[in-house]
Amino acid sequence: ETGVTQSPTHLIKTRGQQVTLRCSSQSGHNTVSWYQQALGQGPQFIFQYYREEENGRGNFPPRFSGLQFPNYSSELNVNALELDDSALYLCASSLEGSGANVLTFGAGSRLTVL
Amino acid sequence: GDSVTQMEGPVTLSEEAFLTINCTYTATGYPSLFWYVQYPGEGLQLLLKATKADDKGSNKGFEATYRKETTSFHLEKGSVQVSDSAVYFCALSDRGSSNTGKLIFGQGTTLQVKP
Repeated sequence: ETGVTQSPTHLIKTRGQQVTLRCSSQSGHNTVSWYQQALGQGPQFIFQYYREEENGRGNFPPRFSGLQFPNYSSELNVNALELDDSALYLCASSLEGSGANVLTFGAGSRLTVL
Repeated sequence: GDSVTQMEGPVTLSEEAFLTINCTYTATGYPSLFWYVQYPGEGLQLLLKATKADDKGSNKGFEATYRKETTSFHLEKGSVQVSDSAVYFCALSDRGSSNTGKLIFGQGTTLQVKP
């Protein structure tokens, strides 16, 4: 079975720009979560998508938005980039209803905002 | 709100030494507890988990016991190897207070094992 894949692996943007990050879920998983991991910190929950709808959101402003597609892949969009948005963005997939929330993480997309 | 606190690193050990990484949590419900490991340049990998009090999670020689009375989930390994060098994250998932099953992570503890 394939794992979680993310693209791009690295990218550089400037303040005020917009970025789209992509994620393909592990085969058989129907739920996607996104996390932001600042340098030297633990991942912070951004939001989760289930059945193509947002199903829970962390303490992130509306300029962070997402999509989930019928094939369970997902996008994270960030508008009006700020310097503090520089981080590793992790996508994780899981199977809703499988019990304890065991997430499978991708390797991440490292965003640098200049 | 729910939170996880880990011992600060880095933790530097010699090969074959005993490892303990402390983790305590605060939660309103009955969380599941996890340890994830992150190797350089990679995403997080689930190391072990425990879903209820007194459960012991184990994997690859690592163990952690869910202690409700002390709200702790300390990670231990009897004999570390150089290949265990990584960042270790303790996390909780409290589905009782939220249907999302989101994970709340500690800040991570870097382990360096020297030959």
